[in-house]
Amino acid sequence: EPEVTQTPSHQVTQMGQEVILRCVPISNHLYFYWYRQILGQKVEFLVSFYNNEISEKSEIFDDQFSVERPDGSNFTLKIRSTKLEDSAMYFCASRAGGPDTQYFGPGTRLTVL
Amino acid sequence: DAKTTQPPSMDCAEGRAANLPCNHSTISGNEYVYWYRQIHSQGPQYIIHGLKNNETNEMASLIITEDRKSSTLILPHATLRDTAVYYCIVRANAGNNRKLIWGLGTSLAVNP
Repeated sequence: EPEVTQTPSHQVTQMGQEVILRCVPISNHLYFYWYRQILGQKVEFLVSFYNNEISEKSEIFDDQFSVERPDGSNFTLKIRSTKLEDSAMYFCASRAGGPDTQYFGPGTRLTVL
Repeated sequence: DAKTTQPPSMDCAEGRAANLPCNHSTISGNEYVYWYRQIHSQGPQYIIHGLKNNETNEMASLIITEDRKSSTLILPHATLRDTAVYYCIVRANAGNNRKLIWGLGTSLAVNP
């Protein structure tokens, strides 16, 4: 069964450094999402992406964040200058289209020191 | 998207049916009820969704009341691997975004 994959599974970085989190969505999917979950808290929507542009972003998704689909398979989330409060699990999700559901990857645990 | 209310935690004996309730009294006519679960910090896993008819798949059954103000997710024979946080989410299936708005869910413990 096709699945969403994410790399790395765990990323440790120093405050102020740039990180890129990578996702490979399910191959025929058209809509892509990033969510995050701070330890012990709710899953929070960050951004949705369709047709090579952002369709919606949350208040969390400020100028430090960006997303890109550099080729036909990868979908990346970049944080330019990480802060301690960016430490969280980051989940990528994808959806085929129409009324389809979102399917999630296993997540990347980001730890900012 | 409509707000949902779920009990914070529930217990279930292994092999028995787990019935997880969700209230969504402000649901509107074009909004679906979705259920996901999250097993200890793993990625959320889609379970089932429905609009107004009851639905069943290989994982679970979804019972939606006639007025659509509440629903119940049924795991017919719970196993230890079903221990997870279960999220009920109401969302319209329209537009390009369709982000999911998450609550705190119900933490289900399946006991041997």
